[in-house]
Amino acid sequence: SQELEQSPQSLIVQEGKNLTINCTSSKTLYGLYWYKQKYGEGLIFLMMLQKGGEEKSHEKITAKLDEKKQQSSLHITASQPSHAGIYLCGAPNFNAGGTSYGKLTFGQGTILTVHP
Amino acid sequence: DVKVTQSSRYLVKRTGEKVFLECVQDMDHENMFWYRQDPGLGLRLIYFSYDVKMKEKGDIPEGYSVSREKKERFSLILESASTNQTSMYLCASREQGEAFFGQGTRLTVV
Repeated sequence: SQELEQSPQSLIVQEGKNLTINCTSSKTLYGLYWYKQKYGEGLIFLMMLQKGGEEKSHEKITAKLDEKKQQSSLHITASQPSHAGIYLCGAPNFNAGGTSYGKLTFGQGTILTVHP
Repeated sequence: DVKVTQSSRYLVKRTGEKVFLECVQDMDHENMFWYRQDPGLGLRLIYFSYDVKMKEKGDIPEGYSVSREKKERFSLILESASTNQTSMYLCASREQGEAFFGQGTRLTVV
């Protein structure tokens, strides 16, 4: 089955600094989703990437999917305390027959702390 | 505004109790999921359902069962709660594109 490995597991930055979170897959990615979670709450969708080399941005967050479709990165420019939380990457999980039933497998998450 | 709603934000139950976690979605999605989230382990899939009365085991189904009698509702059942089931439980629904998550239920078994 597919496994997603995120790095780093946790990150502490000073407000205003840039940072990058990586998500590496054991198999080719057929779609990659980034979510953010505030402590004790549900997941909020950030961005979806599908094509090799694709890059998307929303406000100060940019996500990229590499050409080989096995790694994605999430970059935050000029971080703010509001960016603090847990970031998770997720990808469709297919069984041996090629069916996913919509299942997503997730990485273990990256905990981001931003100090004012 | 699309929504996935979980019945409780916080629950405290005793060991051995039967526990029901309810989830309702208003997006007419075929697929619904129950995950549990533990520090350092990320989200792990417990069970999922791809249609009414249809269910499949996820990665960690032991100690859990589910029920999907109506399309919009997916229930997670802990047959006999144990302390190692203390966790954050997240329900999600998905069709194409992104999954939509409920706000989570933090369950403590004492």
